Amino acid sequence: GENVEQHPSTLSVQEGDSAVIKCTYSDSASNYFPWYKQELGKGPQLIIDIRSNVGEKKDQRIAVTLNKTAKHFSLHITETQPEDSAVYFCAAGSSYKLIFGSGTRLLVRP
Amino acid sequence: EAQVTQNPRYLITVTGKKLTVTCSQNMNHEYMSWYRQDPGLGLRQIYYSMNVEVTDKGDVPEGYKVSRKEKRNFPLILESPSPNQTSLYFCASRAGTGGNQPQHFGDGTRLSIL
Repeated sequence: GENVEQHPSTLSVQEGDSAVIKCTYSDSASNYFPWYKQELGKGPQLIIDIRSNVGEKKDQRIAVTLNKTAKHFSLHITETQPEDSAVYFCAAGSSYKLIFGSGTRLLVRP
Repeated sequence: EAQVTQNPRYLITVTGKKLTVTCSQNMNHEYMSWYRQDPGLGLRQIYYSMNVEVTDKGDVPEGYKVSRKEKRNFPLILESPSPNQTSLYFCASRAGTGGNQPQHFGDGTRLSIL
């Protein structure tokens, strides 16, 4: 069946460094790729998304890249801050469903 | 404030005792969905609804029921809960029925089935 693989499962970086999280998907019909941030005790919140007709999108310190040929997309966080510490999920969507990755726990050390 | 509201937030119960987790959204969204979150598995879809009276199974529907009698509400029903349904549950909604719209999540319901 369709699946999304996400790596790494945990990531620890020094404040100010960059963090990169990578995902690959299997369903070639996927055309929507959101990233969610989940803080403790809260539901996932959308932080950025990209659609299949775009290769890259940036919003301040966050950027996402998409390679449809390789079925690969990545989240880049620059100048990380302690408040970026959370669990991040990627997802790949088609017409009626989203398939989520297993999550990455990001720790930003002050 | 636009939001998805789930109740209860926490519940401890026993095997076989029917329970319902409510979900309500105030954004007039057509699409609603239930997920469960388990360590190392991410979020897995249980059921979804494209509109009133239209529901369909997700990836892990066994042991669950849903209904969509009104646009704003999408309750999750566990007729005979079992310990393997102990999990963190999230309700979500999005505008339209196309897949490329952002989903808005509730804050979750932690269920423990003893």
